[in-house]
Amino acid sequence: EAGVVQSPRYKIIEKKQPVAFWCNPISGHNTLYWYRQNLGQGPELLIRYENEEAVDDSQLPKDRFSAERLKGVDSTLKIQPAELGDSAVYLCASSRQGVGTGELFFGEGSRLTVL
Amino acid sequence: DAKTTQPNSMESNEEEPVHLPCNHSTISGTDYIHWYRQLPSQGPEYVIHGLTSNVNNRMASLAIAEDRKSSTLILHRATLRDAAVYYCILKDTGNQFYFGTGTSLTVIP
Repeated sequence: EAGVVQSPRYKIIEKKQPVAFWCNPISGHNTLYWYRQNLGQGPELLIRYENEEAVDDSQLPKDRFSAERLKGVDSTLKIQPAELGDSAVYLCASSRQGVGTGELFFGEGSRLTVL
Repeated sequence: DAKTTQPNSMESNEEEPVHLPCNHSTISGTDYIHWYRQLPSQGPEYVIHGLTSNVNNRMASLAIAEDRKSSTLILHRATLRDAAVYYCILKDTGNQFYFGTGTSLTVIP
């Protein structure tokens, strides 16, 4: 079974530029999460999707961050414009609720550096 | 969101057991206790979870206090590959997973 796939793995941009991250969850996983992880910190939840519906986006900075999950499968997280403080690793995770342990499966993350 | 408290760091000698503690005094009756670990430059991975009873799997054991206000992840024989950050998380019925700062485990050869 293929794992959660994220791209790009690394991205370096200048401040005020836009950036987008893509996530392909494990097939059949209805719940998708985007987390941001700053250096030395635990992952911080940005948004959670149940199928194509964003059910918790309370921690998403909506002035510059946006996300979508078309057709309830792949998801894209966008930042426009990026700021220096957005430098972090952006992690995508998926799970299949109601089956098994419901644990999260994470991708390897997308490391963003804003100069 | 429910909170957990873990020591920032711990050390263990290789091939010895490791007990990683976690306090979750505000846990509700329906919260599951999950443990994840994160190896360098990787996303977190699932280790084990439980509700009330102690649990064992191929990776570790989870001991849950009778009042559920604390739990301990037990690695029976630490290896160098177990060096990671270990997160104790409470999962509510709303499928929310809130991570703290975790415990950084160093395994000494």
